[in-house]
Amino acid sequence: DIVMTQSPDSLAVSLGERATISCRSSQSIFYNSNNKNYLAWYQQKPGQPPKLLIYWASTRESGVPDRFSGSGSGTDFTLTISSLQAEDVAVYYCQQYYSTPLTFGGGTQVEIK
Amino acid sequence: QVQLHQSGPGLVKPSQTLSLTCTVSGGSISSGDYYWAWIRQPPGKGLEWIGFIYNNGNTYYNPSLKSRVIISLDTTRNQFSLNLNSVTAADTALYYCARDQGTNYGGFDYWGQGTVVTVSS
Repeated sequence: DIVMTQSPDSLAVSLGERATISCRSSQSIFYNSNNKNYLAWYQQKPGQPPKLLIYWASTRESGVPDRFSGSGSGTDFTLTISSLQAEDVAVYYCQQYYSTPLTFGGGTQVEIK
Repeated sequence: QVQLHQSGPGLVKPSQTLSLTCTVSGGSISSGDYYWAWIRQPPGKGLEWIGFIYNNGNTYYNPSLKSRVIISLDTTRNQFSLNLNSVTAADTALYYCARDQGTNYGGFDYWGQGTVVTVSS
């Protein structure tokens, strides 16, 4: 199984400041054949299912604000919220879909400082 | 707009079978390059992929649960279902159904509302 490790576990950022979350996979999730990283990011607010933010490591899902961006390749990935808003308070998860079993990171709680 | 609606009991006795159904509206479950998935979240913990089914009926399961899980499709009702047998307290979790965008996009783009399932006598 591919193990996904997120850091930090929690993060407190001032409104308008940048939030950065890291995700590392235990093996590369990059396919040379199509030049894609098989990684997605989700946002989960209390009492709600996760919401897909980004797939292919850096492609924003339709309707997701452009303050959310994803980067990285191979085994190391980052989700950045460029200017934190109050509505961004949530738990964020990364997920690999390179191979089954599909696996998620442990989550990062983002709060307002 | 695709919507997924879950149904099924919230309480299951130990050793019995957990059964949940996900009804899809706004699109046909048998068309498109999508996988129909079940994911669970134990209380206070992260997300665990249980498995998914493709529109041709091919299934893929998490090896940690494979011996106890069956995911099936009912194309006439536009539904897919989860059966997890021989449950224990460790199977207590919030269960979600979701659509996986498959090989063209990736990620779970639509989710059900979630069903809290408690395993207790």
